[in-house]
Amino acid sequence: DAGVTQSPTHLIKTRGQQVTLRCSPKSGHDTVSWYQQALGQGPQFIFQYYEEEERQRGNFPDRFSGHQFPNYSSELNVNALLLGDSALYLCASSLGRHEQYFGPGTRLTVT
Amino acid sequence: AQRVTQPEKLLSVFKGAPVELKCNYSYSGSPELFWYVQYSRQRLQLLLRHISRESIKGFTADLNKGETSFHLKKPFAQEEDSAMYYCALVIQGAQKLVFGQGTRLTINP
Repeated sequence: DAGVTQSPTHLIKTRGQQVTLRCSPKSGHDTVSWYQQALGQGPQFIFQYYEEEERQRGNFPDRFSGHQFPNYSSELNVNALLLGDSALYLCASSLGRHEQYFGPGTRLTVT
Repeated sequence: AQRVTQPEKLLSVFKGAPVELKCNYSYSGSPELFWYVQYSRQRLQLLLRHISRESIKGFTADLNKGETSFHLKKPFAQEEDSAMYYCALVIQGAQKLVFGQGTRLTINP
């Protein structure tokens, strides 16, 4: 089991564009959470998906949206990108409310 | 509001010396606290959680509800302990993790 995988590894976008990040959970996991980690900061919770629905949401604007597919993989979409959206985006998977396992992250740079 | 504070961004100690990474929290409910570690070029991983009361890689952490602290300790630091450490709490009834800013620990030979 490769654990949690994320794609792409790095991404450069221009302000105003839209981006989609992808996450495949660890085998057997059904819950996916997304976090944003700005430089020098700890990860901040964006939202969590379970049974293809958003179960929890952090303090992020509606420009941030997500989706979970029947195979439990997930996407994070960010519209109208701002310079401040530049960060490492982490995906974590878990079996229900048990321990979260993190992926390697996607580094997003907005220019 | 829930908050986790790690007052030291950087901490440097010599090999064999004791280590203490500080963590304070603010949470109105019954907290469930964790320490996560990120070694160089590796992903974030769980080091220990307070409910298991275990020692991992020689590290321990005790929840002090009176002082709202969950400091991470190790009596004798090793060079391989050099890493980024994050204290986190989980919101009761959810799986939302709230992280501190992290402490970069460097163990000098």
